[in-house]
Amino acid sequence: DAGVTQSPTHLIKTRGQQVTLRCSPKSGHDTVSWYQQALGQGPQFIFQYYEEEERQRGNFPDRFSGHQFPNYSSELNVNALLLGDSALYLCASSVGLANTGELFFGEGSRLTVL
Amino acid sequence: QKEVEQNSGPLSVPEGAIASLNCTYSDRVSQSFFWYRQYSGKSPELIMSIYSNGDKEDGRFTAQLNKASQYVSLLIRDSQPSDSATYLCAVCSFSTGNQFYFGTGTSLTVIP
Repeated sequence: DAGVTQSPTHLIKTRGQQVTLRCSPKSGHDTVSWYQQALGQGPQFIFQYYEEEERQRGNFPDRFSGHQFPNYSSELNVNALLLGDSALYLCASSVGLANTGELFFGEGSRLTVL
Repeated sequence: QKEVEQNSGPLSVPEGAIASLNCTYSDRVSQSFFWYRQYSGKSPELIMSIYSNGDKEDGRFTAQLNKASQYVSLLIRDSQPSDSATYLCAVCSFSTGNQFYFGTGTSLTVIP
């Protein structure tokens, strides 16, 4: 049973560039959430996707956008990268929109912006 | 005001001792509470969930929840060096659209 998979694991970009991160949820899961974890901080909620729509959004600018595909996989896009966007980006999957149960995380994509 | 607060530590305990990790939260209608373990450079791994007041035990781990005091804790008995990690407290509620709010984590070091 495959868990949550993310790609790429590491990437380096320069300010102003754009990045796309990808996530495949755990088998049987249909909801994907994205989190940003800066060094020494807890994960911060970016947004959640369910049935190919953004359902909830945290306090992140419009430079952060996403998409969910019919197979439940998801992408996170960040435009006009800033130095402060350097972080570990975590994808988490769960079942259903009303879920207050467990989140399962992927290994993350570590983004460095130079 | 932060949603979830934890002491950042570091917390050091000798091998075999009990490690006690604490967390407070601000949203009174929070329903679900979780403890995640995160090793350096790795993603968070769920170790305990608790939904009702009281204690919940799983092996060497015990989660304690007091909704009246808006307080959740994690006890690790017989601490092992492999327990050395950052422990994240997470809280979720319908009032926040099922968003999970995480604390900044408590760094635990178990000294052999």
